[in-house]
Amino acid sequence: DTAVSQTPKYLVTQMGNDKSIKCEQNLGHDTMYWYKQDSKKFLKIMFSYNNKELIINETVPNRFSPKSPDKAHLNLHINSLELGDSAVYFCASSQGQGQGSDTQYFGPGTRLTVL
Amino acid sequence: AQSVAQPEDQVNVAEGNPLTVKCTYSVSGNPYLFWYVQYPNRGLQFLLKYITGDNLVKGSYGFEAEFNKSQTSFHLKKPSALVSDSALYFCAVRDRWGNAGKSTFGDGTTLTVKP
Repeated sequence: DTAVSQTPKYLVTQMGNDKSIKCEQNLGHDTMYWYKQDSKKFLKIMFSYNNKELIINETVPNRFSPKSPDKAHLNLHINSLELGDSAVYFCASSQGQGQGSDTQYFGPGTRLTVL
Repeated sequence: AQSVAQPEDQVNVAEGNPLTVKCTYSVSGNPYLFWYVQYPNRGLQFLLKYITGDNLVKGSYGFEAEFNKSQTSFHLKKPSALVSDSALYFCAVRDRWGNAGKSTFGDGTTLTVKP
């Protein structure tokens, strides 16, 4: 059973397009995250939701909009894709309210390539 | 602000030798510290964490880490490296009292274990 799953695994698209990445966790966790890993493998948090409520919103362009229909899902929609958006996007989840000692469980990643 | 430094981009060791991957941190309060491992084309996997108590933390796959408050370090160690330990390792920190539970990750250290 996959704990944190993401779709699609690979996404290749043209500049200017709009795309979405979906994430689901079956761990019963209350908090979910989106991270971006760039070509140098640097990992940066983008967003965090706790029980469908936004709790972390880093300095991310407005073109990126997370949506949490329920606490098991956190989707990432990206408008007007740019070349610099090419990266691997990881979804993660953790128990509790996203603070303190909670371990994060990561999905397999979505490799986005913008041409 | 909280930060993590992994001073070595690359660590090379021979199979059977001990390994150390270094991590130092900076937080305003007391930290929660984590180590994660990323195998090629995979998501991050949790190895171990320091919350409180014993400064020596034991984790998955024979790894351990020692919390040193005076040196603000949390180095990852293993007594005898395996070729299969070759991967990208991330140290992460969370401030117990601030940042709404945001984790800050180091830039990663690539461990290569040679037969």
